[in-house]
Amino acid sequence: NAGVTQTPKFRILKIGQSMTLQCTQDMNHNYMYWYRQDPGMGLKLIYYSVGAGITDKGEVPNGYNVSRSTTEDFPLRLELAAPSQTSVYFCASSSPTGTGNTIYFGEGSWLTVV
Amino acid sequence: GNSVTQMEGPVTLSEEAFLTINCTYTATGYPSLFWYVQYPGEGLQLLLKATKADDKGSNKGFEATYRKETTSFHLEKGSVQVSDSAVYFCALSLPNQAGTALIFGKGTTLSVSS
Repeated sequence: NAGVTQTPKFRILKIGQSMTLQCTQDMNHNYMYWYRQDPGMGLKLIYYSVGAGITDKGEVPNGYNVSRSTTEDFPLRLELAAPSQTSVYFCASSSPTGTGNTIYFGEGSWLTVV
Repeated sequence: GNSVTQMEGPVTLSEEAFLTINCTYTATGYPSLFWYVQYPGEGLQLLLKATKADDKGSNKGFEATYRKETTSFHLEKGSVQVSDSAVYFCALSLPNQAGTALIFGKGTTLSVSS
């Protein structure tokens, strides 16, 4: 089972460049998320989506954009890369059924901005 | 606001030692609680969860009990193995908030030596 798949796994960007992190899930989950993980800081929510066509900001949305045209895909766009965006990015998905919602994570994308 | 606090690491243990990683939370509602584990170079995997007070989550010899009176969800294992070396994240989610996205603690690194 593929689960949550994100690409690329590693990327080096120059300051000011733009790129898109791709994320797709094959579990028919309505909810999808993007997190970033910085050393010693845990994971912070960037954006989330509760269904196709619906997105909303999380805790740290500045410098990023997302779209959700299909249930399966939730790409994350960096328009003008900055060194502060050097981080590990995780896409995740879930299908809440009352309490105890379990969120499934992709394997991560390591991004370095130089 | 809602937050999770877990003990600072790293935690260094010998094989077969007893493990406790403390986790406390602050939440405006009635959260579900989770422990996720991240092995080196990988994404996050759900280790265990609990959705109501006094529930005990357990998996792979790890367990944690949802204590509403002390707002805690401490992770324990009776006898750790080298293969348990990883980063452990305590997290909570609240229904109908940010798509039930997870709020994470900063993570605790566990290193087990033989």
